[in-house]
Amino acid sequence: AQKITQTQPGMFVQEKEAVTLDCTYDTSDPSYGLFWYKQPSSGEMIFLIYQGSYDQQNATEGRYSLNFQKARKSANLVISASQLGDSAMYFCAMREGRDTGRRALTFGSGTRLQVQP
Amino acid sequence: DGGITQSPKYLFRKEGQNVTLSCEQNLNHDAMYWYRQDPGQGLRLIYYSQIVNDFQKGDIAEGYSVSREKKESFPLTVTSAQKNPTAFYLCASSIRGISNQPQHFGDGTRLSIL
Repeated sequence: AQKITQTQPGMFVQEKEAVTLDCTYDTSDPSYGLFWYKQPSSGEMIFLIYQGSYDQQNATEGRYSLNFQKARKSANLVISASQLGDSAMYFCAMREGRDTGRRALTFGSGTRLQVQP
Repeated sequence: DGGITQSPKYLFRKEGQNVTLSCEQNLNHDAMYWYRQDPGQGLRLIYYSQIVNDFQKGDIAEGYSVSREKKESFPLTVTSAQKNPTAFYLCASSIRGISNQPQHFGDGTRLSIL
């Protein structure tokens, strides 16, 4: 079974509108972390936001927020007020377990977001 | 500035040739990782290392080898046994023991077969 599922291969959004990128995950470990990364066409991976499994509140970082629904095992990324520079691939990733060095990230297949003027 | 440096940016491999991708970090991170990304796909783990002189296989280690002789360096060798090496390779590092710290990535190396 896929550990991270991103069901939207591509998304379009108008500039200045909000967009939600979906991510569902599968784990039996009670301790895990969820990460979102942005990958522009140049290829580098840019960290956006983190949500821990024990965090009581949804994470926010500037225009990025995470809609974390633990019971449904979903961690959707919300980008508010989209900008042309937001056009990129977006990856959801999960780290299982408490020790950050022991477990690498498991990535979803990504969503390509295109912001239209 | 602290960061991860990958070199070269582009690399071409001939049939039967081994090639080595460099990854150096000056973030003082204990853990380092190598991922492979195929076009339109997510990242898959090749190898990771928690500490000097120790490393573990990831999900797709066949045809690859690594070493970790120094904390700062984690080179990846793509051997001739890897029959489909064309991909984008990303190196990453992270702090150990703090679960909310993200992995930091280099800018990647694009490997192609001649």
